[in-house]
Amino acid sequence: AQKVTQAQTEISVVEKEDVTLDCVYETRDTTYYLFWYKQPPSGELVFLIRRNSFDEQNEISGRYSWNFQKSTSSFNFTITASQVVDSAVYFCALSEARTGANSKLTFGKGITLSVRP
Amino acid sequence: EAGVTQSPTHLIKTRGQQVTLRCSPISGHTSVYWYQQALGLGLQFLLWYDEGEERNRGNFPPRFSGRQFPNYSSELNVNALELEDSALYLCASSLGSGGFTDTQYFGPGTRLTVL
Repeated sequence: AQKVTQAQTEISVVEKEDVTLDCVYETRDTTYYLFWYKQPPSGELVFLIRRNSFDEQNEISGRYSWNFQKSTSSFNFTITASQVVDSAVYFCALSEARTGANSKLTFGKGITLSVRP
Repeated sequence: EAGVTQSPTHLIKTRGQQVTLRCSPISGHTSVYWYQQALGLGLQFLLWYDEGEERNRGNFPPRFSGRQFPNYSSELNVNALELEDSALYLCASSLGSGGFTDTQYFGPGTRLTVL
């Protein structure tokens, strides 16, 4: 069965520190997508990135970068030079190609990131 | 462009009552999804609607139901409310037909409290 594990539950850093959020997934599918979402205190889930199972190229977008490694079933997210506005809960999610699963996202439990000034 | 909107933002009900939550997708999106985010249980998939039809549902009892209207907006109905139904209900929409390649964009949620 599909599963997403975010082993870290809470991380606290001081502004300008780099922080990496870990995500490990399990799936029997060879075709799938991985996502990261951010949930600020307002509650709305904000889409950050998606990556398909055939594209292991890592990506950098401003202060954000993502490291996808199929060999370890990991899709980690790094924030460089963190800012107070980065404080939020971050969710990793998985969608699979197989029938019945292909319409839903399976989420990890989320990581609460607190960035202190 | 307006994002996904949900109403109401907050709701307080008592056990046994019924509630209706509403969602308007991003313009042009035809698929609508509902998720429940309950304390300690994380985000769980509830329902998926596409082109007016229920396409898939998560592991929830039949008292959770909904529908999608011709303008692609959606309602989530919960009958015979129980205390454990207290949660943030998130609606999402996607551009495609709900396949696994679609990116789901979420609304701000409706916070339901059952007393």
